[in-house]
Amino acid sequence: AQSVAQPEDQVNVAEGNPLTVKCTYSVSGNPYLFWYVQYPNRGLQFLLKYITGDNLVKGSYGFEAEFNKSQTSFHLKKPSALVSDSALYFCAVRVAGGSARQLTFGSGTQLTVLP
Amino acid sequence: NAGVTQTPKFRVLKTGQSMTLLCAQDMNHEYMYWYRQDPGMGLRLIHYSVGEGTTAKGEVPDGYNVSRLKKQNFLLGLESAAPSQTSVYFCASSYGPQKGYTFGSGTRLTVV
Repeated sequence: AQSVAQPEDQVNVAEGNPLTVKCTYSVSGNPYLFWYVQYPNRGLQFLLKYITGDNLVKGSYGFEAEFNKSQTSFHLKKPSALVSDSALYFCAVRVAGGSARQLTFGSGTQLTVLP
Repeated sequence: NAGVTQTPKFRVLKTGQSMTLLCAQDMNHEYMYWYRQDPGMGLRLIHYSVGEGTTAKGEVPDGYNVSRLKKQNFLLGLESAAPSQTSVYFCASSYGPQKGYTFGSGTRLTVV
């Protein structure tokens, strides 16, 4: 069975500092990895994905994520955090070639950027 | 561009009542999904559809039914609501399972 772990329920960072939101995964096969962001009372918004190719993936709003196969991780990063980045972040994984049923979401990490 | 629209946004039901949640997308997406979001549990897939006229069970299908009579619409029904179905429900759509999903803004359902 595949799974996603977001080990931190809450991450606090000062505005202007770099931020990292951690994600590790477990799948049988090659992973497709996704990051989504959820603002209060809104649906999830797609940020970026890793399918294949370059391990560093760039996405929306200045976010990027690094795929590390040996550590089975896909951490979300941003060089300089903004207060407006405060939101709930979800990592998701599916196995390459898997069905639509097989996208698994993590439990989410609440990011708070302090002014 | 509307994207994915869910109605209603809020609803309170009494135990045993029924209701239908409507999801509509205007992006010509083939795939549509219904998720529920509960605190600390992420999103769990209830049912999904890979095209008009098709539906399939997800991770937590019990107590729910779905229909996709038109490509742009995906309906989620609760035949006899239970307090355990109190949750926030999200609809999503995509071109395919490997593509990013577009989510609606959610329906907050409370069953008392």
